[in-house]
Amino acid sequence: AQKVTQAQTEISVVEKEDVTLDCVYETRDTTYYLFWYKQPPSGELVFLIRRNSFDEQNEISGRYSWNFQKSTSSFNFTITASQVVDSAVYFCALSETRYSGAGSYQLTFGKGTKLSVIP
Amino acid sequence: EAQVTQNPRYLITVTGKKLTVTCSQNMNHEYMSWYRQDPGLGLRQIYYSMNVEVTDKGDVPEGYKVSRKEKRNFPLILESPSPNQTSLYFCASSSTTTGVHTEAFFGQGTRLTVV
Repeated sequence: AQKVTQAQTEISVVEKEDVTLDCVYETRDTTYYLFWYKQPPSGELVFLIRRNSFDEQNEISGRYSWNFQKSTSSFNFTITASQVVDSAVYFCALSETRYSGAGSYQLTFGKGTKLSVIP
Repeated sequence: EAQVTQNPRYLITVTGKKLTVTCSQNMNHEYMSWYRQDPGLGLRQIYYSMNVEVTDKGDVPEGYKVSRKEKRNFPLILESPSPNQTSLYFCASSSTTTGVHTEAFFGQGTRLTVV
């Protein structure tokens, strides 16, 4: 069964500090997808990134960057120069293809990391 | 505008009174699913649907029913709600036509309280 572990339950940083959110996953599939979602205090879930298992290139989007390492089954997320608006719960998720007749693309979430950025 | 719409946003009900949470998407997505979010547990999948008339259980299906009669709608039904179903519920949809699971679009959530 697929599993996603976000070991950091809560993190607090001072504004402008860099912060890395860890994500470790387990899967038996060779083809899978990894995601990060942000849940701000307002409650909605905001998609940040998707990465497939064949693409280990790191990605940078503004102050956000992602480090995907298959060798350690990790997909870590770094925020550079954090801002108060980054305060949210961040979820890492894994999607694999599980064939059960109809097929499945179950999205399994980690338990989330609550990030608080202090001004 | 591409969106997933859930209704209601907030609901307080009593134990045993049947309720339905509606979910509708306007992106012609094949795949839809329901999740519940509880403190310390993250999001857990309740049911999913690969397409019209094709549904299957997720990780926590007990006490819930779903139906997928039309591609755009995927209602969540609680036949006899109990207090342990008090939670924040999310509906999501995504496209899988290319064999790739694209990003999931989430509704705004329904906060359900069962007393």
